[in-house]
Amino acid sequence: DAKTTQPNSMESNEEEPVHLPCNHSTISGTDYIHWYRQLPSQGPEYVIHGLTSNVNNRMASLAIAEDRKSSTLILHRATLRDAAVYYCILRDVPNAGNMLTFGGGTRLMVKP
Amino acid sequence: DSGVTQTPKHLITATGQRVTLRCSPRSGDLSVYWYQQSLDQGLQFLIQYYNGEERAKGNILERFSAQQFPDLHSELNLSSLELGDSALYFCASSPRHMNTEAFFGQGTRLTVV
Repeated sequence: DAKTTQPNSMESNEEEPVHLPCNHSTISGTDYIHWYRQLPSQGPEYVIHGLTSNVNNRMASLAIAEDRKSSTLILHRATLRDAAVYYCILRDVPNAGNMLTFGGGTRLMVKP
Repeated sequence: DSGVTQTPKHLITATGQRVTLRCSPRSGDLSVYWYQQSLDQGLQFLIQYYNGEERAKGNILERFSAQQFPDLHSELNLSSLELGDSALYFCASSPRHMNTEAFFGQGTRLTVV
């Protein structure tokens, strides 16, 4: 799987938008971009995924650059409950196994 | 609640011993994945089973083994335990295609003393 690069940590204020960046300059045409998060003392939790177009769901939005070499996870209004480690993961499903390969992720801290 | 159940939640055992961790996937999910999370290594993929057959293998030690049973539950067996095996062990399940979301259990915290 292609590698992703994320900042180690970010800070946000409660009720403000948060933009979590991810660089994946070696992404291939068949790589899907997945985001998971891990709240303290819990298992990872799916957030969102996409291929080329921007995606929205009830948790977040995913903005994908036109060249697909980077993406941004957007939390529209951060809450204290959003404090977690966020993982950006590339999945080449047609050509590899089905497992998720986690990197270091970004630790998001939300200040009240 | 992800729908994935892992038991036990906590396990304390001595070096050299053998333990079995159990995972019940979400109803209907055919794939089960095992991950190890230690403080210095992050989340490491161990092994995947799909409908009873081994599908992919990560950095799983030879002392570790797993299986998936006909009712789709899975067990991870850890033997000759060492202090360094102390970690959180997560199980995840997903429907056939991994492009849909994977659901993780709450994990089993293993402490080897």
